[in-house]
Amino acid sequence: GAVVSQHPSWVICKSGTSVKIECRSLDFQATTMFWYRQFPKQSLMLMATSNEGSKATYEQGVEKDKFLINHASLTLSTLTVTSAHPEDSSFYICSGSGVDGGYTFGSGTRLTVV
Amino acid sequence: DAKTTQPNSMESNEEEPVHLPCNHSTISGTDYIHWYRQLPSQGPEYVIHGLTSNVNNRMASLAIAEDRKSSTLILHRATLRDAAVYYCILTKNSNSGYALNFGKGTSLLVTP
Repeated sequence: GAVVSQHPSWVICKSGTSVKIECRSLDFQATTMFWYRQFPKQSLMLMATSNEGSKATYEQGVEKDKFLINHASLTLSTLTVTSAHPEDSSFYICSGSGVDGGYTFGSGTRLTVV
Repeated sequence: DAKTTQPNSMESNEEEPVHLPCNHSTISGTDYIHWYRQLPSQGPEYVIHGLTSNVNNRMASLAIAEDRKSSTLILHRATLRDAAVYYCILTKNSNSGYALNFGKGTSLLVTP
């Protein structure tokens, strides 16, 4: 079945630094990639939607200059958290969708900003 | 978007069947009913989906009410590995471009 490989699975960074999270679709072409974050004991919250080769569309309240999304190819999308602060600590999850529909999720990245 | 309502939590004994309910009274005629589950510290995984007819796969069964205003995910024999949060989500008939909107889901506890 379809697989999305997400890395790293966890990362600890210092406040003020940037962190990049990668999601690769291994056996399908992800025309659309969705990015979510999940705080403890809460559900997934959609952050942004990106289509290959286009700028991402961000949900209300999500800073596009802070959460940089790149979807330059059909198999790779990245999320960069810039100038991270402790309140950005969360579980980040990507989800790829191909031309036949369906959603495949990455395994998530646990970000801790200290 | 049409909303879904699920119980916050349910508990089951191992090897017993589990029926997870979902209400979606405002569902439209073209909305598909999807179920995903999320194990602790992992991304969600697909379980099953349907439109009008009941569906079976290797993981579970989906029973859809005749008026489509509710559905039930059935795990025939719960195992400890089925302990997860189960999400019932409605999607448009064409998935492309539409994100899955997750509600709070049902946290399933399976006890030995």
